[in-house]
Amino acid sequence: DQQVKQNSPSLSVQEGRISILNCDYTNSMFDYFLWYKKYPAEGPTFLISISSIKDKNEDGRFTVFLNKSAKHLSLHIVPSQPGDSAVYFCAASAATQGGSEKLVFGKGTKLTVNP
Amino acid sequence: DAGVTQSPTHLIKTRGQHVTLRCSPISGHKSVSWYQQVLGQGPQFIFQYYEKEERGRGNFPDRFSARQFPNYSSELNVNALLLGDSALYLCASSLVGTMGELFFGEGSRLTVL
Repeated sequence: DQQVKQNSPSLSVQEGRISILNCDYTNSMFDYFLWYKKYPAEGPTFLISISSIKDKNEDGRFTVFLNKSAKHLSLHIVPSQPGDSAVYFCAASAATQGGSEKLVFGKGTKLTVNP
Repeated sequence: DAGVTQSPTHLIKTRGQHVTLRCSPISGHKSVSWYQQVLGQGPQFIFQYYEKEERGRGNFPDRFSARQFPNYSSELNVNALLLGDSALYLCASSLVGTMGELFFGEGSRLTVL
């Protein structure tokens, strides 16, 4: 039972253009969503997050949009740069987990930004 | 500042053996979590520890155990290794209450033959 789904295993974009990475979730108890970026041979790095009480959060070139009714979120990167090439993981958590801060991750989307 | 450090970085074991993986969190972080990442999948939650107490456990068999020490470092132990335990084991530390903003180490790559 995959509660967090990233249906696109890969995405290729030209430098300077917008990258849009999508994520769907099934558990309505999730109330906090995060994006992590992972380079080869490194651990995932936190990128940006959004609470379920918001529908948009922006940090520089990165913006996350949340559509609660559709149980869908997306990460927009504008403009895309070659250094953004990495695997991007969508993750979700629920506050009511007995104090646990367990994250549920999607399978990831490999983004390639071509010069 | 030192990030999350894990050891060993790579190891090879045979079926039935036991393995211990170690993690040192970022200074000041009292919460440590362990995740397993199998090739082609996202990280999967194994354990979270805070102040030496288990805060959460994922859907893993009892062969998996962990503990946290007074200095907040942590160990993950896996007994009776199976081929399917081959994976990247990630340790993450955090300040409790930061809603999942975890700081991950580079991981320990375990291969079971």
